[in-house]
Amino acid sequence: QKEVEQDPGPLSVPEGAIVSLNCTYSNSAFQYFMWYRQYSRKGPELLMYTYSSGNKEDGRFTAQVDKSSKYISLFIRDSQPSDSATYLCAMSVLLDTGNQFYFGTGTSLTVIP
Amino acid sequence: NAGVTQTPKFRILKIGQSMTLQCAQDMNHNYMYWYRQDPGMGLKLIYYSVGAGITDKGEVPNGYNVSRSTTEDFPLRLELAAPSQTSVYFCASSYSAGGNEQYFGPGTRLTVT
Repeated sequence: QKEVEQDPGPLSVPEGAIVSLNCTYSNSAFQYFMWYRQYSRKGPELLMYTYSSGNKEDGRFTAQVDKSSKYISLFIRDSQPSDSATYLCAMSVLLDTGNQFYFGTGTSLTVIP
Repeated sequence: NAGVTQTPKFRILKIGQSMTLQCAQDMNHNYMYWYRQDPGMGLKLIYYSVGAGITDKGEVPNGYNVSRSTTEDFPLRLELAAPSQTSVYFCASSYSAGGNEQYFGPGTRLTVT
């Protein structure tokens, strides 16, 4: 079983739609939960991170963590064509040698004008 | 700040050739990482470093070597290139052991034929 599971999509939505991206995980030791956005042929950039169950909002983006179900989500409201990218979930656990990161495979999102 | 920079952007190698992928960061981050990203496979950690002079293996270190002589630079060496090393390579850095904000470089796209 993979540490982190993410539906690769692709996902295609009309502009203005609400987008829901999801990941599940198996390791209950994960402490931090992150979402990265990766544009084509670019490096990932951190969108949001959180360390507790519940919701965290930043503009049009909301990150949701449910530790009891080992499930995280990213919601994008009023989606824009500029949101078209691959979204990677990531989780980390703090070891003696520092944070160990585990990434999902990414979900490809296209927002159609 | 330039952030994390990587050179070259693209490279084609013949089987058995060697090369060094360069990575530098100007944010005075202690932690640096090398990942490879293959289609549908997510990011896999190759090597990481917690500071100058200290490196450790990640999930997929075979066929690679690293060194960290300065805080700024973290080169990745491929000694005998193989087709299985065809991938996109990303370097990343973060400030501390608990730092969840990883900053990624733009990537190096490597093809081994």
